[in-house]
Amino acid sequence: KAGVTQTPRYLIKTRGQQVTLSCSPISGHRSVSWYQQTPGQGLQFLFEYFSETQRNKGNFPGRFSGRQFSNSRSEMNVSTLELGDSALYLCASSLPRLDNTGELFFGEGSRLTVL
Amino acid sequence: DAKTTQPNSMESNEEEPVHLPCNHSTISGTDYIHWYRQLPSQGPEYVIHGLTSNVNNRMASLAIAEDRKSSTLILHRATLRDAAVYYCILRVSGAGSYQLTFGKGTKLSVIP
Repeated sequence: KAGVTQTPRYLIKTRGQQVTLSCSPISGHRSVSWYQQTPGQGLQFLFEYFSETQRNKGNFPGRFSGRQFSNSRSEMNVSTLELGDSALYLCASSLPRLDNTGELFFGEGSRLTVL
Repeated sequence: DAKTTQPNSMESNEEEPVHLPCNHSTISGTDYIHWYRQLPSQGPEYVIHGLTSNVNNRMASLAIAEDRKSSTLILHRATLRDAAVYYCILRVSGAGSYQLTFGKGTKLSVIP
C-alpha cells in the first residue's frame, strides 16, 4: 500500500513569489491535513480537508490556502512568500472516524526555502 | 485548545525501559491522548493512543493517570532506532473536523 506522497520534496523560492505544494493521500483516505514545521515553532496545524471541504483552519494568515479534489488529493498554496515561510510542510491523511481516533499517516514533507 | 507539556529532552541507555511523561491538565472528558514520534528527516509516525484505560501495542504502552491530567509513554526496551522526537497530542473526539496541537515534543536520545 503506497504511503502519503508529497511533491515537490525540495524547492527554493524568492520573497513575493507564490508556491503550490501537492499531497496524494493513501488510497481510501478522505481526510487530509497540513502542517508547518519550523525549528522555532515546531509543528503547527494549517488546515484539514474532507470531501473537498475545509473543515478546520489553524492560525495562519490568508496567504495560506488549500483545496482538495474529488480524488482526495490536496494542494496548498502560499502567496506573497516571506522569509518566515521557510519550513517543512507536512501533509497527513487518515480514514475519517466519528470519534476522531483515526491514525494520521504523514508524508515526508516538502521543504520550502524562501530567499 | 487544550495544551500538553513535555520535557524538552531525555536520555536512555539502549535496551533499558524509557518513560516519557506528558502533562495535560486542561484535558476534556472526551479528548483522546495520542502519541506520535518523528525520526530525523521523516514525517511523524503514529505510536499509540488512548482515552482512559492503559493501552499496549507492538511499539509501546500508554499509561494514563486516573484523573487523566497526565500520561506516560513507555518504551519497554529502547533501541537506537527509537531515537526521535516524541509528541504528546490531545485530539478532540466527536464527528467532524479536528485540529491537532503538537507542541515541541521530547527529544529522546538513546545511548549505546
